[in-house]
Amino acid sequence: EAGVAQSPRYKIIEKRQSVAFWCNPISGHATLYWYQQILGQGPKLLIQFQNNGVVDDSQLPKDRFSAERLKGVDSTLKIQPAKLEDSAVYLCASSLGSGVLETQYFGPGTRLLVL
Amino acid sequence: GIQVEQSPPDLILQEGANSTLRCNFSDSVNNLQWFHQNPWGQLINLFYIPSGTKQNGRLSATTVATERYSLLYISSSQTTDSGVYFCAVKFQAGTALIFGKGTTLSVSS
Repeated sequence: EAGVAQSPRYKIIEKRQSVAFWCNPISGHATLYWYQQILGQGPKLLIQFQNNGVVDDSQLPKDRFSAERLKGVDSTLKIQPAKLEDSAVYLCASSLGSGVLETQYFGPGTRLLVL
Repeated sequence: GIQVEQSPPDLILQEGANSTLRCNFSDSVNNLQWFHQNPWGQLINLFYIPSGTKQNGRLSATTVATERYSLLYISSSQTTDSGVYFCAVKFQAGTALIFGKGTTLSVSS
């Protein structure tokens, strides 16, 4: 079974530029998550989708971050404009559902460096 | 808010040594997972263990939900065990995992 795919794996941009990340979850997984992991910390949720609907985006800085999951499969996360503090690893995860017993599986992440 | 605390923050071992990592959480949980983040950043599922004990090779985990803690045991450590170990919990359906800050393990030969 293929895992969660993400691209690109690395990205370097200058502040105020825009960037987009892509995620393809495990086939059949209805729930998709984007996490931000700053160096030295654990991942923190940015946004959670159930199929193509948003379940939780309370921690998403909506003035600069946006995400979508058209057709309930692939998802993109965009930052515009980027700030220095956005330098982090962006992790995508998926699970079959959002029930409390579900196991989440993570992709390899995208490392973003904002200069 | 909900707290997930891991200890120790850092651990340095010689190859072959055993270790115990701890995760404390501030509320009742229905889902607890242990992950290993390798040096390339990939989060690898180790255990789904909301309660009880599980073993997988040299690794085992125990969660005592009533006392709000979980332990991850690594026996006969190898250099490939190096990385960051995260505990993550979910308190209710429909929410995402909440992670601790992790324990960084370095195993030298």
